[in-house]
Amino acid sequence: EDQVTQSPEALRLQEGESSSLNCSYTVSGLRGLFWYRQDPGKGPEFLFTLYSAGEEKEKERLKATLTKKESFLHITAPKPEDSATYLCAVQGSSNYKLTFGKGTLLTVNP
Amino acid sequence: DADVTQTPRNRITKTGKRIMLECSQTKGHDRMYWYRQDPGLGLRLIYYSFDVKDINKGEISDGYSVSRQAQAKFSLSLESAIPNQTALYFCATTGQDNTGELFFGEGSRLTVL
Repeated sequence: EDQVTQSPEALRLQEGESSSLNCSYTVSGLRGLFWYRQDPGKGPEFLFTLYSAGEEKEKERLKATLTKKESFLHITAPKPEDSATYLCAVQGSSNYKLTFGKGTLLTVNP
Repeated sequence: DADVTQTPRNRITKTGKRIMLECSQTKGHDRMYWYRQDPGLGLRLIYYSFDVKDINKGEISDGYSVSRQAQAKFSLSLESAIPNQTALYFCATTGQDNTGELFFGEGSRLTVL
């Protein structure tokens, strides 16, 4: 059974204070690892797909990296508008089902 | 207009009532999904459909049923609602090429008293 564990559950940062969120996973035949952002009262919004160890993707202040066991979402010089819950998900060899982690609630204070 | 529209956005009902949550999408994708989100449990898959004639159970389908009325429409029903079905429900869609890149609706918050 595919499993995803995200840490920490919650993270408070000051504006400009860089940090990283962790996503550890076990999956049978990784087809992809996905990061989503979810704002309160909204549906998750897709951010990145990573397919193989060593791959990196960037978008504005966010950079996602992947190893064979975990992924990191690095946030550089965050702003208050980066506050959200960040979800990690993996897709295994089944080709249909995403297994989601419980998310990390990020709060960036001005 | 939103790519994935869910109705109703909020619903309060009583135990034993039948409830239908509706979803429509304008992305033109074939694949549609229903997820449930609970605090501390994350997103869990209820049902998914690859096309109008292909409907499959997810990990928590007991107590739920679905109907794929058209490529763009996918409804979730609770035949006899119970309090532990109180949750936030999301519909999502994706194409065949990027099946992990889901487009989600804004959610339907259901409370069963």
